[in-house]
Amino acid sequence: EAAVTQSPRNKVAVTGGKVTLSCNQTNNHNNMYWYRQDTGHGLRLIHYSYGAGSTEKGDIPDGYKASRPSQENFSLILELATPSQTSVYFCASGGSNTEVFFGKGTRLTVV
Amino acid sequence: QQKVQQSPESLTVSEGAMASLNCTFSDGTSNNFRWYRQHSAKGLEVLVSIFSDGEKEEGRFTAHLNRANLHVSLHIREPQPSDSAVYLCAVSNYNQGKLIFGQGTKLSIKP
Repeated sequence: EAAVTQSPRNKVAVTGGKVTLSCNQTNNHNNMYWYRQDTGHGLRLIHYSYGAGSTEKGDIPDGYKASRPSQENFSLILELATPSQTSVYFCASGGSNTEVFFGKGTRLTVV
Repeated sequence: QQKVQQSPESLTVSEGAMASLNCTFSDGTSNNFRWYRQHSAKGLEVLVSIFSDGEKEEGRFTAHLNRANLHVSLHIREPQPSDSAVYLCAVSNYNQGKLIFGQGTKLSIKP
């Protein structure tokens, strides 16, 4: 069964600190995505990737970096975390004409 | 830039009655459409994926796609209280890979 695993599931970070959210998929999917979900906004795309070594900006990339070192792993990096980045973050993987599967989410609180 | 809009924002339906949700998109080259369900800010569960005009049924869930009208809908037959959740429409283009979400419809099923 398709699996997308996010870690950590919960994180409290201090303003100005560095935060790394990790995502691992065992589906051999080319595409991977990072979203954030806030009340009233649905899921908004931050970064995505077509494969190892590639990262693309989504609709709200400011303040975030992404890294895709391998087919299986896709990280979201907040170099200088701010309280406005408090949110629930979802990672997903999918092929071009296949299902897109989501992880269970990471709840990030920046204090 | 792709815009995905869902309507209504919220919907209350009696148990057993048909529930109908709507989604419009702006990019006429879109060719991948998915409906997800999310219970209380938890993970996303894919309900139906549709890639060509017409109808696609998955159990009690039926998606209708009309790309000329930039519209995709979801119909839930005989909804139950356990179907109360937020329903999210997601649209992508085979060649681009970006998966863009609407803001969601909150569905409540009255016993």
